[in-house]
Amino acid sequence: NAGVTQTPKFQVLKTGQSMTLQCAQDMNHEYMSWYRQDPGMGLRLIHYSVGAGITDQGEVPNGYNVSRSTTEDFPLRLLSAAPSQTSVYFCASSPLLPRQGLYGYTFGSGTRLTVV
Amino acid sequence: DAKTTQPPSMDCAEGRAANLPCNHSTISGNEYVYWYRQIHSQGPQYIIHGLKNNETNEMASLIITEDRKSSTLILPHATLRDTAVYYCIVRVATSQGNLIFGKGTKLSVKP
Repeated sequence: NAGVTQTPKFQVLKTGQSMTLQCAQDMNHEYMSWYRQDPGMGLRLIHYSVGAGITDQGEVPNGYNVSRSTTEDFPLRLLSAAPSQTSVYFCASSPLLPRQGLYGYTFGSGTRLTVV
Repeated sequence: DAKTTQPPSMDCAEGRAANLPCNHSTISGNEYVYWYRQIHSQGPQYIIHGLKNNETNEMASLIITEDRKSSTLILPHATLRDTAVYYCIVRVATSQGNLIFGKGTKLSVKP
């Protein structure tokens, strides 16, 4: 049981490049989300999904796209990277409804992205 | 979801209890109090949650005041590994609501 897996762990992009951050979970969780964390700040929600085919915007969605074709995967796409997107990105998953013994969100270990 | 207020930083001696306060004066009747922590830029880790009764698990205890306007997370015997940022979050457990993180409390456990 791997939990939430994020790839890559580190990435350097040039301004204007595009890339996809991968997130996969093997816990059959309906809910998945992406956060970004800037130095000295708390986490801010980018996009989230409550199931396959359903996505919605969070607090800071501009410059990011998501899709949810399967329950397991929730990739985050940067269409044209900007230096302001330099951050640490965390993916999280959770059951939609609390189940016996299952509480809280499970977070991945993060992707550290630098845009130069 | 209700907002929370936490002190920006706290110190604790190793082996002593760490008591981390959180104010949530606008909490609604169906909102739970959740605690997470983040150790040195790792992904946040779920600690505990509660509605109105005190809760305890293998990691910590959660004390919620009778009026539910504040709570305290207790790490009974803090270790150096407990040095982290601790986030108090209130939200409805069964909704599609998202976790809204504040800046949390930076707990430093000192030898």
